Amino acid sequence: GEDVEQSLFLSVREGDSSVINCTYTDSSSTYLYWYKQEPGAGLQLLTYIFSNMDMKQDQRLTVLLNKKDKHLSLRIADTQTGDSAIYFCAERGSKTSYDKVIFGPGTSLSVIP
Amino acid sequence: DAGVTQSPTHLIKTRGQQVTLRCSPKSGHDTVSWYQQALGQGPQFIFQYYEEEERQRGNFPDRFSGHQFPNYSSELNVNALLLGDSALYLCASSSVAGGSGANVLTFGAGSRLTVL
Repeated sequence: GEDVEQSLFLSVREGDSSVINCTYTDSSSTYLYWYKQEPGAGLQLLTYIFSNMDMKQDQRLTVLLNKKDKHLSLRIADTQTGDSAIYFCAERGSKTSYDKVIFGPGTSLSVIP
Repeated sequence: DAGVTQSPTHLIKTRGQQVTLRCSPKSGHDTVSWYQQALGQGPQFIFQYYEEEERQRGNFPDRFSGHQFPNYSSELNVNALLLGDSALYLCASSSVAGGSGANVLTFGAGSRLTVL
C-alpha cells in the first residue's frame, strides 16, 4: 500500500542547514513533493521532483531523491526563523495523471535564534 | 488571481448533525481534492472530483460525500457527525488538462470543524 513516513520533530539554530527526511513505500511514485504549513494556514508547495531525477535545487532548497531506497530529503540552507513550520513530504503514484497525492505526518521544524 | 477559497473558516456542530463545506478552486483548475487533517497529523485523502464525478476515494465511510458543480466548485458533506470528525478540512485544486504532469495541488486555508 501507499505510506509516507517522516521524523516528527527537528530543531536547528538560525543560519545552520536543516535536513528533513522522508521515506515512502510506493515504488511506482512518479512525483514527490514538499509542502510547508504555517500555523492556521493551508499547505504551500515548496518544490517537487520527478522520479527520474536525483536532485533538484531551488535557491535555498535542495531536494535529494534515492529511488532505490525510496528516500527523499529536503535541505534548507541558511535556515531562518521564518522557516519554522511543519513540512510535509508527499507522493503521487503513476496510474494516471490525476492519481491522488498521499502525505506524510509532517516534520515540525523549530529554528532557534 | 484568487487562489482556492473555502467556507466557512470555522464551525461548531454537535454529534449527529450534518455539515456542508464549500470550495472554489483556483482560476483555471478543473479538479478538486478534499483532505481531512486531524490535529498534529498529515492530511488524509478523502476524495477527488473531476468533471462533476468522484474519481478517486480514500478510506472514508459513506457518511462523507461530495459534489462538483459545472463551474468546478465543490462541496463536502458529512452526515451523522462523530466527535472524531473534528478536524481541519482542506480543499485542494489542480489542473489535469493544463497541468505539467506534476498535478501540483493548490490548497485553501481550510475549514476547521469542531464536533461537540
